[in-house]
Amino acid sequence: AQSVTQLDSQVPVFEEAPVELRCNYSSSVSVYLFWYVQYPNQGLQLLLKYLSGSTLVESINGFEAEFNKSQTSFHLRKPSVHISDTAEYFCAVAMDSSYKLIFGSGTRLLVRP
Amino acid sequence: DTGVSQDPRHKITKRGQNVTFRCDPISEHNRLYWYRQTLGQGPEFLTYFQNEAQLEKSRLLSDRFSAERPKGSFSTLEIQRTEQGDSAMYLCASYLPGGELFFGEGSRLTVL
Repeated sequence: AQSVTQLDSQVPVFEEAPVELRCNYSSSVSVYLFWYVQYPNQGLQLLLKYLSGSTLVESINGFEAEFNKSQTSFHLRKPSVHISDTAEYFCAVAMDSSYKLIFGSGTRLLVRP
Repeated sequence: DTGVSQDPRHKITKRGQNVTFRCDPISEHNRLYWYRQTLGQGPEFLTYFQNEAQLEKSRLLSDRFSAERPKGSFSTLEIQRTEQGDSAMYLCASYLPGGELFFGEGSRLTVL
């Protein structure tokens, strides 16, 4: 069965430091990849997605993720985090156009001043 | 607000009671999904609709669970004879192919 692994349940980091949130998936077929963010008391919001084309995708608020097919990874990075980036981040995959998402267990990013 | 709306936001019930959650998707979205999220876990797929047709149901969806989308617009998720293990956040999402999946804020169920 397909699965998504987010090894880090919590990542503490100081403001303005770089961060990487790791995501690995298991699938033998082509996938669509997503990162969703959940701020406290809010719904899940799409941060960025990879469907096809360039393996490096970027969000409007400075995050980026790179699809690595050989390592089956889709790690999320930001060169300099802000306090406002404190949230839960979920990696997800979809196996086909049904867009049925399989989520990882999430990584809580805690940005400290 | 033109986002995905869920009601109620929080439901507390006693074991054995029936509960129903409603989801109003974004109006032009023809696909609607239900997920369940427990504490410390990512959302788990339950079922999804294309218009009024229920296309897939997860094995997580036992016989006590039923979902409908009668006119291809809003959807309901009913849980009969609730159990404490049903306590979770129930998320609804809607989607228009080629676009983005939008999630509601969820309905939190607490079974005492």
